[in-house]
Amino acid sequence: RKEVEQDPGPFNVPEGATVAFNCTYSNSASQSFFWYRQDCRKEPKLLMSVYSSGNEDGRFTAQLNRASQYISLLIRDSKLSDSATYLCVVNSAGTASKLTFGTGTRLQVTL
Amino acid sequence: EAGVAQSPRYKIIEKRQSVAFWCNPISGHATLYWYQQILGQGPKLLIQFQNNGVVDDSQLPKDRFSAERLKGVDSTLKIQPAKLEDSAVYLCASSLWQGLAGELFFGEGSRLTVL
Repeated sequence: RKEVEQDPGPFNVPEGATVAFNCTYSNSASQSFFWYRQDCRKEPKLLMSVYSSGNEDGRFTAQLNRASQYISLLIRDSKLSDSATYLCVVNSAGTASKLTFGTGTRLQVTL
Repeated sequence: EAGVAQSPRYKIIEKRQSVAFWCNPISGHATLYWYQQILGQGPKLLIQFQNNGVVDDSQLPKDRFSAERLKGVDSTLKIQPAKLEDSAVYLCASSLWQGLAGELFFGEGSRLTVL
């Protein structure tokens, strides 16, 4: 089983739609979680951290379910500029933290 | 503030040749990472440095890949000899610290094509 698993998509949604991505992780001792965004042929950039209580940043909401070992990202009112690949990232516990990236979920927002 | 600098941006070589990539992290960032990203996949950690010491190189193919960060600042990643499957983007990233909440800042990457 992969350490971090995501549906690669693509998710094709119209502008204004709400879309949700899920990500599962295998290491129950994982301590912290992130969503990164990667535009085509660009480097990944941090979108948001994922906190146990859930967190929201504008149109983006991230949630963590430790019991089921998954995290989610919800995008409301999708914009054309949201088209990108969304990478789920999990930081393993231990003396040397290690960030493991999922394969990413591709989102294409259309008119 | 200057970001993570990488060079070269693009490199095309034939299999069995060697190649080296250079990375200069954000000033003051103690932790430096090299990731390999194959088309359609997420970045895979090759090696992680804390200052000039190696923290994790468990996924580095040591028979052909090597990396160093001699003075705890910039770093080089070398591949010798290259194989076709090494075609990928090599991303360098840095962070202030290797703690659990650290944000990674990536360079634009070095795109390698092995023919």
